[in-house]
Amino acid sequence: TQLLEQSPQFLSIQEGENLTVYCNSSSVFSSLQWYRQEPGEGPVLLVTVVTGGEVKKLKRLTFQFGDARKDSSLHITAAQPGDTGLYLCAGLVTTDSWGKLQFGAGTQVVVTP
Amino acid sequence: KAGVTQTPRYLIKTRGQQVTLSCSPISGHRSVSWYQQTPGQGLQFLFEYFSETQRNKGNFPGRFSGRQFSNSRSEMNVSTLELGDSALYLCASSLTPGHLYGYTFGSGTRLTVV
Repeated sequence: TQLLEQSPQFLSIQEGENLTVYCNSSSVFSSLQWYRQEPGEGPVLLVTVVTGGEVKKLKRLTFQFGDARKDSSLHITAAQPGDTGLYLCAGLVTTDSWGKLQFGAGTQVVVTP
Repeated sequence: KAGVTQTPRYLIKTRGQQVTLSCSPISGHRSVSWYQQTPGQGLQFLFEYFSETQRNKGNFPGRFSGRQFSNSRSEMNVSTLELGDSALYLCASSLTPGHLYGYTFGSGTRLTVV
């Protein structure tokens, strides 16, 4: 059972279109991180959001953390083929002195020219 | 600075054998986590080490074990390999366990069990 639910599981769009990926949970997170992974490689950290309601922008990517720190979204504007990859959200749950990172199942994004 | 280094990149083993994978974290990072990634299950947490001590453990059988050395380098071992152990094994380093601002992953070791 995934603590973090990502939707959709798969997204195929044309270059220039916009897309949004969602990450939802019933748990509260200390922080939420977004990673992108390309085939045969490890995930690469894109952004970390910490404060409820926080919005961060990374060029054409906009990340938002829900007010209650239970959900997040990733919006890509004018997608390009280079945005193709597996997008993973990961929530940090702090239960003791140290936290534990929980990953969602991922959203496979394919952007065709 | 150098990233997270995992060796080897690719490995083919036979059922019943054992395997040891290595991970060198980013300099200064003292926490190392291991994940198994398969198409059907996604990223599954194996264990996390900090200061040579296992801090967290996922739901994997005892055939999966790990350790961390005083220089923060880590190894994981899988004994009595099964076909289902075929996966991409990823190592991630961070300053502390569950670091607030994220982990840095290596490129992984692709293990194929035949």
